[in-house]
Amino acid sequence: AQRVTQPEKLLSVFKGAPVELKCNYSYSGSPELFWYVQYSRQRLQLLLRHISRESIKGFTADLNKGETSFHLKKPFAQEEDSAMYYCALAPNTGKLIFGQGTTLQVKP
Amino acid sequence: GAGVSQSPSNKVTEKGKDVELRCDPISGHTALYWYRQSLGQGLEFLIYFQGNSAPDKSGLPSDRFSAERTGGSVSTLTIQRTQQEDSAVYLCASSLRLAGDAGELFFGEGSRLTVL
Repeated sequence: AQRVTQPEKLLSVFKGAPVELKCNYSYSGSPELFWYVQYSRQRLQLLLRHISRESIKGFTADLNKGETSFHLKKPFAQEEDSAMYYCALAPNTGKLIFGQGTTLQVKP
Repeated sequence: GAGVSQSPSNKVTEKGKDVELRCDPISGHTALYWYRQSLGQGLEFLIYFQGNSAPDKSGLPSDRFSAERTGGSVSTLTIQRTQQEDSAVYLCASSLRLAGDAGELFFGEGSRLTVL
């Protein structure tokens, strides 16, 4: 079955601390993976995609096929990073499968 | 122009009534998606349309749910005989291409449905 799992509903860190939002996927093919973010009172939007191998707002994510993971990381969290983060899998069937989401709370 | 537009932004209805939610995608986007966002359930895929192909309805939770896309543009999600468990935010998204091509989804602000 094609599935995305985000084990943490809530992650709370202090400003300046490192952040890692976990994402594991289940898919037998070659995955396309994404992170989407929803800031308070804003639309859900794309943060980054693994094929681009880019860093957006200081966030990076590396695809680990052996561990079937795509964890999102940032070395120093900022208060403006507080948001809901969704990991998503595109299994080449057209639809995007999202995880349950993780709320990141960055405390001052 | 504008992004994905959804209406109504808020809808309160009584159990058993029918509701219609509308989505106006970004002009030129061939793919249109409906998702349901609820606490503890994350983003649940409902249905997607791609051009003139038959829609993928595999995520619709029951036969009370249906959707259509007229003229390859505007889409309507209809929920018949609403139940309290239908209460959620319904999100629409559009894309230039299928998600399998690693295209980006652009989301609307959502329609919040509350069933009393």
